[in-house]
Amino acid sequence: EDQVTQSPEALRLQEGESSSLNCSYTVSGLRGLFWYRQDPGKGPEFLFTLYSAGEEKEKERLKATLTKKESFLHITAPKPEDSATYLCAVQAISSGSARQLTFGSGTQLTVLP
Amino acid sequence: DADVTQTPRNRITKTGKRIMLECSQTKGHDRMYWYRQDPGLGLRLIYYSFDVKDINKGEISDGYSVSRQAQAKFSLSLESAIPNQTALYFCATADYRYEQYFGPGTRLTVT
Repeated sequence: EDQVTQSPEALRLQEGESSSLNCSYTVSGLRGLFWYRQDPGKGPEFLFTLYSAGEEKEKERLKATLTKKESFLHITAPKPEDSATYLCAVQAISSGSARQLTFGSGTQLTVLP
Repeated sequence: DADVTQTPRNRITKTGKRIMLECSQTKGHDRMYWYRQDPGLGLRLIYYSFDVKDINKGEISDGYSVSRQAQAKFSLSLESAIPNQTALYFCATADYRYEQYFGPGTRLTVT
């Protein structure tokens, strides 16, 4: 069974204080790992897809990295507008799971001014 | 206009009532999904469809049914609503890379 665990559940940072969010996964074979941002009362918004260990992607203050067991979302010098819940999801290679994503429960990030 | 729309946005209904949630998309994607989100449990897949003749159960399909009326429309029904179906429901579409694009959600309360 595919599993995704995100930590911490909640994180409070001061503006400008860099940190990382963790996404650990267990799948029979990874086809892709996805990061989403979700603002309160809204649908998740796609951020990145990572496909292989060692891959990195960046968008503004966010950088996502991938190893064989986990992914990190690094937030550099965050601003209050980065406050949101960040969701991680995996897609497995196996035929039964290849057409769907398994989501973690998310990390709620609060950036204080 | 939003690429993925959901109606209604909020709904309060009583136990035992039938309710339908509707989803429409203009992204041209064949793949569509229904999820529910509960605090602390993340997004859980209810049903998904890859075309009008392809409907598949997800992790938590019991108590739900779906209809894919056209490429752009995918509806979720609760045949007889119960209180533990109170949740936030999201529709999503996906492109060939499985990058999913979500609607704004429907907040459903069953009393």
